[in-house]
Formats: sequence, structure tokens, C-alpha cells
Amino acid sequence: QSALTQPPSVSGTPGQRVTISCSGSSSNIGNNFVYWYRQLPGMAPTVVVYKNNQRPSGVPDRFSGSKSGTSASLAISGLRSEDEADYYCAAWDDSLSGHVVFGGGTKVTVL
Amino acid sequence: EVQLVQSGGEVKEPGESLKISCKGSGYTFSNYWIGWVRQMSGKGLEWMGIIYARDSDTRYSPSFEGQVLISVDKSINTAYLQWGTLKASDSAVYYCARRGYTTGEAFDIWGQGTVVTVSS
Repeated sequence: QSALTQPPSVSGTPGQRVTISCSGSSSNIGNNFVYWYRQLPGMAPTVVVYKNNQRPSGVPDRFSGSKSGTSASLAISGLRSEDEADYYCAAWDDSLSGHVVFGGGTKVTVL
Repeated sequence: EVQLVQSGGEVKEPGESLKISCKGSGYTFSNYWIGWVRQMSGKGLEWMGIIYARDSDTRYSPSFEGQVLISVDKSINTAYLQWGTLKASDSAVYYCARRGYTTGEAFDIWGQGTVVTVSS
């Protein structure tokens, strides 16, 4: 059981907007930054959002992150076929110094 | 180019030992923390632990403490993950990842993954 809770799957048609939720606690999301990682099939994860809502260079502005209290979300607008992947939220956790917790992952399917 | 390159896939029998590696290049290796992440087949990411390359300060997830050993040799820019006694349940893909600074401590660079298969 993951420390952060995500829906197992979300889906949408091309051009739609989908949102992935991530629920945690005061020791992780509530008191630390949230990160979102995308994992394409057979590949290593890559960060798509850091510090709750910042995008690394190269990540399109269709990806946006937000955080409120002990929850966070990743929105993908203008959904494209190449967005089909697994997405994981993550945060550092204060309950044990220097520890990371991941969500269980959400499979985004483009219909 | 900043990158982490991991050692190749391994096939081992239960009870054997194993040490896999993660070599950094294109940046000052000793200035960064390197984390290890497990992904079992068809499952999600599990954080195992992290080590500071400069002084080997190491933190383990409670789920993995005592089960694996994380180490580093900063003279050759390489971090390691090792097992003393492998079990079939250790079969997984293992990723190393660098904890960045400009990205607010996100894991900004990942290795390509090492597939470990433990089977008799």
C-alpha cells in the first residue's frame, strides 16, 4: 500500500483534459514539494513537474501541477497519444528523515 | 551530457549475492545524492534508499533496511546496490536516480534500469 494515493487509471480522447489526483498526509504532501514522474512503457521515469507546479525544460505547458493542503493533482490538457503512460506522484516525507514516498501510479489511456 | 549508466541485467539463483552499479558522468558526482528505486513486474515505483556521494551518508526505506546495502565510490563516480542473499522476490527492475537541486530535489536524472532475475 503506497503512502500516496492515486487512481489506478484515467482516460480521455485526444484534445481532452484529464486530471490525476494524489492524496497524502501532513508529513509528506502537506509539508513538502510534490513531484510528478512520467514512465513510458519499458523506459525509466522522467520528471514532468517539480516543486508542485514547475515544469522542466522540454515538458510542454499542457502539463500543469497544483497542490492544496495534503493533496495534489496533475492536469494534462490537449491530450495527445504520446501522453499515454504511467504517472507517479512523489514527495519527501518528514516522518523519517530523507525519505521519499511514491503514489501507486496512474495509467493514462488515450482512447 | 549528464547521465547515469547502470550495469547490465543479471540472472541469479536464490541465495546468491549480487552488486549492481550506477555510474554518473557529465556532472560533479560527489555533490549529489543518488537514490535507488525498485519496480517489480507490472507494479509501481518503490523508494529503497539514498546515499550522499560526498560522505556516504545513507538513508534506507524501512521496507528495505537490512535487506540491501547501498554504497558509493566517489573516486570512480559510482554508486552501488547490493544483496547478500537473494530471494525470488528480489526479481525486479532497479533504477538509480540523482536528486537534483535546481529541480527542488526531484530525481532529475535516472539510470536506464537494471533487470534482476532471481530464479532456480
